Amino acid sequence: KAGVTQTPRYLIKTRGQQVTLSCSPISGHRSVSWYQQTPGQGLQFLFEYFSETQRNKGNFPGRFSGRQFSNSRSEMNVSTLELGDSALYLCASSFGTAPSYEQYFGPGTRLTVT
Amino acid sequence: AQSVAQPEDQVNVAEGNPLTVKCTYSVSGNPYLFWYVQYPNRGLQFLLKYITGDNLVKGSYGFEAEFNKSQTSFHLKKPSALVSDSALYFCAVRDPIKAAGNKLTFGGGTRVLVKP
Repeated sequence: KAGVTQTPRYLIKTRGQQVTLSCSPISGHRSVSWYQQTPGQGLQFLFEYFSETQRNKGNFPGRFSGRQFSNSRSEMNVSTLELGDSALYLCASSFGTAPSYEQYFGPGTRLTVT
Repeated sequence: AQSVAQPEDQVNVAEGNPLTVKCTYSVSGNPYLFWYVQYPNRGLQFLLKYITGDNLVKGSYGFEAEFNKSQTSFHLKKPSALVSDSALYFCAVRDPIKAAGNKLTFGGGTRVLVKP
């Protein structure tokens, strides 16, 4: 089975711009979660989608949004970029939401805001 | 709210020696605990999980973890470390509340350096 794929892998944007990141989960997985990884804050949960519905959201401003499509692919959008948004954005997929289902992570998208 | 602590920023060990990476957690209810490893420029790779059952959990690549409820710990272990085990290790806890879904709370990470 192919793993979780994320595009693009690297991205450079300017302050004030917006960006869209894409995540394709493992085939058959219906849950997609997004995390932000920075040296200062570590790994932080952004949000989770399951069957096109947002199930849970972390403590991030409204500039961070996401969606999930009927084929389980997910996108996250960050509007009005700030320098502090520079991070590795990781997507994780899972078959379901029961605790027995582990999450599998993609390689991440490295976003640099200048 | 749940939390995870990894008290050591870095662990140094000689190849062939036992490796232990420490993790303590705080959660209301039954803990669901996970270990992930991250290699440079890569995403997180699942190693093992504790949901219920035996306190000793065996995972990938020869790793195992011991769940200790009284000490609220979930330490990762490997009997004989390899140079290729050098990486960043994360302990995570999942909120047992069903409404929280798959949300994981991660520890700060422990960098493991295995020297030849």
